[in-house]
Amino acid sequence: EVQLVESGGGLVQPGGSLRLSCAASGFIFSDHYMDWVRQAPGKGLEWVGRIRNKANSYTTEYAASMKGRFTISRDDSKNSLYLEMNSLKTEDTAVYYCARKGSGSYGTFDIWGQGTMVTVSS
Amino acid sequence: DIVMTQTPLSSPVTLGQPASISCRSSQSLVHSDGNTYLSWLQQRPGQPPRLLIYKTSNRFSGVPDRFSGSGAGTDFTLKISRVEAEDVGVYYCMQGTQFPWTFGQGTKVEIK
Repeated sequence: EVQLVESGGGLVQPGGSLRLSCAASGFIFSDHYMDWVRQAPGKGLEWVGRIRNKANSYTTEYAASMKGRFTISRDDSKNSLYLEMNSLKTEDTAVYYCARKGSGSYGTFDIWGQGTMVTVSS
Repeated sequence: DIVMTQTPLSSPVTLGQPASISCRSSQSLVHSDGNTYLSWLQQRPGQPPRLLIYKTSNRFSGVPDRFSGSGAGTDFTLKISRVEAEDVGVYYCMQGTQFPWTFGQGTKVEIK
């Protein structure tokens, strides 16, 4: 079964750091671009960033509001995706989803994880 | 950034009746490769989003044929031919043509 499982969420103080993980299974993880998308409580979806595959030099893209604070990485040997978040703000409170970019020319995310909740509060 | 605007934001529908959601982008979603990367996602209560439609009109694997997508350029539509109870949730359009990827505000479909 194709699956993405996020972990690492929790309560963190403003200015703090947190590292989220996303474990992939059921598909060839190393082939795919992977993204993070977040959803603040009761709000819509917001794209966080992307990491491409090895064939594309693991290059990354970030939303402007997260660039410089968030870092996306991956370990293909562990079928895992990561999101390192620093200098966290209360407005970063959200459910964070990892999502797989569909093969070929889908241009969207075909598989989503269940999400992990991050709460930034003092 | 490309702004995605959905209407309506709420759509009360009678079971078995059709529903339609509009999505407009602030600029054309036609990519330089000729594709239009407009997709529709469904988020049922308490669940992660799920892909319904990609590249404007292509149903994703396992999606019932009562869901259909259409449109071009900057104007797009998701139609549900006959709403069923399991269709309750929030529907988002999303553009994957230009970074940063952006989403519509979401349209809540509920049963009257």
